[in-house]
Amino acid sequence: AQSVAQPEDQVNVAEGNPLTVKCTYSVSGNPYLFWYVQYPNRGLQFLLKYITGDNLVKGSYGFEAEFNKSQTSFHLKKPSALVSDSALYFCAVREAGTGANNLFFGTGTRLTVIP
Amino acid sequence: ETGVTQTPRHLVMGMTNKKSLKCEQHLGHNAMYWYKQSAKKPLELMFVYSLEERVENNSVPSRFSPECPNSSHLFLHLHTLQPEDSALYLCASSQDLSAGVLTDTQYFGPGTRLTVL
Repeated sequence: AQSVAQPEDQVNVAEGNPLTVKCTYSVSGNPYLFWYVQYPNRGLQFLLKYITGDNLVKGSYGFEAEFNKSQTSFHLKKPSALVSDSALYFCAVREAGTGANNLFFGTGTRLTVIP
Repeated sequence: ETGVTQTPRHLVMGMTNKKSLKCEQHLGHNAMYWYKQSAKKPLELMFVYSLEERVENNSVPSRFSPECPNSSHLFLHLHTLQPEDSALYLCASSQDLSAGVLTDTQYFGPGTRLTVL
């Protein structure tokens, strides 16, 4: 079975500090991994994805994520947080090669960047 | 931001009402999706359409009825809903599900906030 865990409901970070939003996944085979962000009263916006290749993936708005197969993690990072990064972040996984259409989402992590 | 649009943005309905949610994508995609987003729960995939054919139905109650008249439009018809159906309903689209391209990114609309009284 495929699943995603976001262990932190809430992350607070000071503006200008580095931020990390954690995600771990569980799939039987190889994963395709995604990060989305949701601002208030808006839909989910795609940030980045890992399919294959370089474990460090760079995405929109200065975000990046590192795929770690041994730890089954795909943590989202940014070197210097902005107040405008405050939003709800979702990690998602799909298992490669299964033909499944489902994208399995975590419960989300609310990031608050403090001025 | 305007690639996937949803109307209405907010909807309040009684349990005996019939209403429809509309989704339109302007991205030239072939696959469309309905998700339900409830507080503190993962997004739940409800329906998937590829080239106007339903390819997935995740055990959704029959009071939710999808319709995909063409690859740009997706509807969710609602009938005799329950208060626990109150949620944010998100529509998404992706490039080409029919080719089995599982790496395709899904692009989401802003959602319809549904309240069932």
